[in-house]
Amino acid sequence: GPKVLQIPSHQIIDMGQMVTLNCDPVSNHLYFYWYKQILGQQMEFLVNFYNGKVMEKSKLFKDQFSVERPDGSYFTLKIQPTALEDSAVYFCASSPDWGGNTGQLYFGEGSKLTVL
Amino acid sequence: GQQVQQSPASLVLQEGENAELQCNFSTSLNSMQWFYQRPGGSLVSLFYNPSGTKHSGRLTSTTVIKERRSSLHISSSQTTDSGTYLCALDNNRIFFGDGTQLVVKP
Repeated sequence: GPKVLQIPSHQIIDMGQMVTLNCDPVSNHLYFYWYKQILGQQMEFLVNFYNGKVMEKSKLFKDQFSVERPDGSYFTLKIQPTALEDSAVYFCASSPDWGGNTGQLYFGEGSKLTVL
Repeated sequence: GQQVQQSPASLVLQEGENAELQCNFSTSLNSMQWFYQRPGGSLVSLFYNPSGTKHSGRLTSTTVIKERRSSLHISSSQTTDSGTYLCALDNNRIFFGDGTQLVVKP
């Protein structure tokens, strides 16, 4: 089936550094999402993105976070600067249409971020 | 192979009826989660349930790890319960089922 690829699968960085998480969504998908899961806790919605804009974001989407998809390349989540509490697994997802119409989000396997 | 099998794929109820959604896993798990998917695509986490039974209002989740299954029970369904329900296997990575499309008719 359709695949969402995430790069890297694991990243270890020092607190205060910048990190960019990359997502290669399913081709022809138009809507993109990031989710965050701290180890042992629930997965939580961060942001969704369409047509070059953030459509919706949660309170977890701090000012240090930003997303973009320049010219149809990777959909990226950038954190600058990172903090210890940013350590988590970040999941990217894409859908061909607004979620409620198709009922199908395709998720990547996650990028595990460890901030030391 | 498919790590998570959800059933039924779709379900249509009359308001007031109960719903039973099932999730079966083909591998061991650390925990599992049930989600409701909003029309906008964002997920609402309903239960994070490593084992046993949890209640939240009209919702009940039961996970039996040794049997590799989990269920979501919705009592006295309402039209606002309509949507997609996803279960997800937590085995250091998240594996989602294909979801159950629930329609509750007035």
